[in-house]
Amino acid sequence: RKEVEQDPGPFNVPEGATVAFNCTYSNSASQSFFWYRQDCRKEPKLLMSVYSSGNEDGRFTAQLNRASQYISLLIRDSKLSDSATYLCVVNLNQAGTALIFGKGTTLSVSS
Amino acid sequence: GEEVAQTPKHLVRGEGQKAKLYCAPIKGHSYVFWYQQVLKNEFKFLISFQNENVFDETGMPKERFSAKCLPNSPCSLEIQATKLEDSAVYFCASSQSHGYTFGSGTRLTVV
Repeated sequence: RKEVEQDPGPFNVPEGATVAFNCTYSNSASQSFFWYRQDCRKEPKLLMSVYSSGNEDGRFTAQLNRASQYISLLIRDSKLSDSATYLCVVNLNQAGTALIFGKGTTLSVSS
Repeated sequence: GEEVAQTPKHLVRGEGQKAKLYCAPIKGHSYVFWYQQVLKNEFKFLISFQNENVFDETGMPKERFSAKCLPNSPCSLEIQATKLEDSAVYFCASSQSHGYTFGSGTRLTVV
């Protein structure tokens, strides 16, 4: 079983749509959770951290359910520029420990 | 500097040749990580360093791959006798405690 599992997609949505991505992780000792964005095999960039209380950053909302070991990302009012691969990432939250990546979910937003 | 500098950006090697990749972490960051991303697959963690000491090498292939972080030098990842399946983008990241910054990667093509 993969440590972090995501639906690879692709998700093809029109501009303005709302889209949700899900992710599950297997290591219950994981303490830190993130969504990263990767464009065209460039380096991954941090989109947002994910907290148990849920957090929002503009059009992006992230949720964490520790009991189910489940993480989600909601994108509202999709823009063309949101087209990218979204990576679910977990970490043990100890200094120096590696980030564990999911395979990523590909989003394509069209006009 | 405030970026993780990876060189070269592209590297082409014939099967059986050696490949050496470099990574200069952000000044002051104690931890360096190497990841391998093959095509559209997930990021595979290879090895991490705390300063010049190996911190975690659980992802490092036992044969052909080696890495070093020496004082006052960029970190390096070396692949002896490259194989076709080594073709990938190799990303380096550095961290001080819990924030990670990625370099733009080295694309290795083995022909």
